[in-house]
Amino acid sequence: GESVGLHLPTLSVQEGDNSIINCAYSNSASDYFIWYKQESGKGPQFIIDIRSNMDKRQGQRVTVLLNKTVKHLSLQIAATQPGDSAVYFCAELNYGGSQGNLIFGKGTKLSVKP
Amino acid sequence: KAGVTQTPRYLIKTRGQQVTLSCSPISGHRSVSWYQQTPGQGLQFLFEYFSETQRNKGNFPGRFSGRQFSNSRSEMNVSTLELGDSALYLCASSVDRWETQYFGPGTRLLVL
Repeated sequence: GESVGLHLPTLSVQEGDNSIINCAYSNSASDYFIWYKQESGKGPQFIIDIRSNMDKRQGQRVTVLLNKTVKHLSLQIAATQPGDSAVYFCAELNYGGSQGNLIFGKGTKLSVKP
Repeated sequence: KAGVTQTPRYLIKTRGQQVTLSCSPISGHRSVSWYQQTPGQGLQFLFEYFSETQRNKGNFPGRFSGRQFSNSRSEMNVSTLELGDSALYLCASSVDRWETQYFGPGTRLLVL
């Protein structure tokens, strides 16, 4: 079946540096993607989303890039802070199927060193 | 606007018991999805409810069931608990079926 995967399970960055978290998706027909942040002991928190008719979308300190040619999604976090330490999931819209309406990747753990 | 709320937040049960978890979606959201999260399996979809009807179901045994009420609140039930059911159970709501899902804090279930 279709799936969303992450290249790196862990990422360690220095406070103040920029972070880039990557995600590969396999369904070229997917048209909606979401990034979630999950802190320890909490539920996933919506960060930013992007539709397939866009290749870039910016939020507050975060930017999502979509490259449909290579089926690649990335989340860039500017000036990473200790509060950004969490697990980040990308999710792909799935129209039905036993995997649900959103297919989640396994997550990347971001650790920010002070 | 209040976020998704889940009760209880923590639960300890023994094998063979049953458990009911509750989820109150964001006001105005009509779709509720449930997920099980474990370190080994990650986020796994359980089921989705919309307009009081189960619209989709993941690959879980029949011991896992749920329902949705007319006010969009949802409950899930697990019968005959097994040790492997220990997990964080997450509820997410969205305005409509294929819209952004917003998650609650989860219910952490420990089965002894």
